[in-house]
Amino acid sequence: ELKVEQNPLFLSMQEGKNYTIYCNYSTTSDRLYWYRQDPGKSLESLFVLLSNGAVKQEGRLMASLDTKARLSTLHITAAVHDLSATYFCALQGGSEKLVFGKGMKLTVNP
Amino acid sequence: EAGVAQSPRYKIIEKRQSVAFWCNPISGHATLYWYQQILGQGPKLLIQFQNNGVVDDSQLPKDRFSAERLKGVDSTLKIQPAKLEDSAVYLCASSSRGETQYFGPGTRLLVL
Repeated sequence: ELKVEQNPLFLSMQEGKNYTIYCNYSTTSDRLYWYRQDPGKSLESLFVLLSNGAVKQEGRLMASLDTKARLSTLHITAAVHDLSATYFCALQGGSEKLVFGKGMKLTVNP
Repeated sequence: EAGVAQSPRYKIIEKRQSVAFWCNPISGHATLYWYQQILGQGPKLLIQFQNNGVVDDSQLPKDRFSAERLKGVDSTLKIQPAKLEDSAVYLCASSSRGETQYFGPGTRLLVL
């Protein structure tokens, strides 16, 4: 059974600080996704990682994938308040369905 | 390009009542998904369609939930009868086969 675990589940950090969040998964997969969800809103696709060693960056967020360790990381650089949201990693399993982690709620304080 | 459309956005019903949700995917997307997101959790797949055929409905509670995508475009998800534990956000997503899934705004259901 495909399982996805995220940690931490809650993070409060100050503006300007850096932090890395982790996503572990149980079986191999072709694709790993990171999504962002603002309160009361739907999910917005941030990154799709396709292969071992893949790294993608958008603004202050950088995602990477280590398929051998079954680990993806999302690194936050110099956090700003606008990054406050819940971040989900999701693994594409058989039949292309997504299996999501529980999400990490990020609060960036001024 | 228009995104995934869903309606209604909010629904409040009493337990044992029935409710239906509607989804219109991004034009040209053959694959349509319905997810259930309970407060504080990640979305969980209920059912996946490829055109108008069901690909995966292994986590759909078939005694009360049903879904259809008759013409391979828009879809409806129905709950009958609703239980308190069905209170959740129901998200519809669509994709071109194997590509990124794009999510609609969701329907927030409260069962009293």
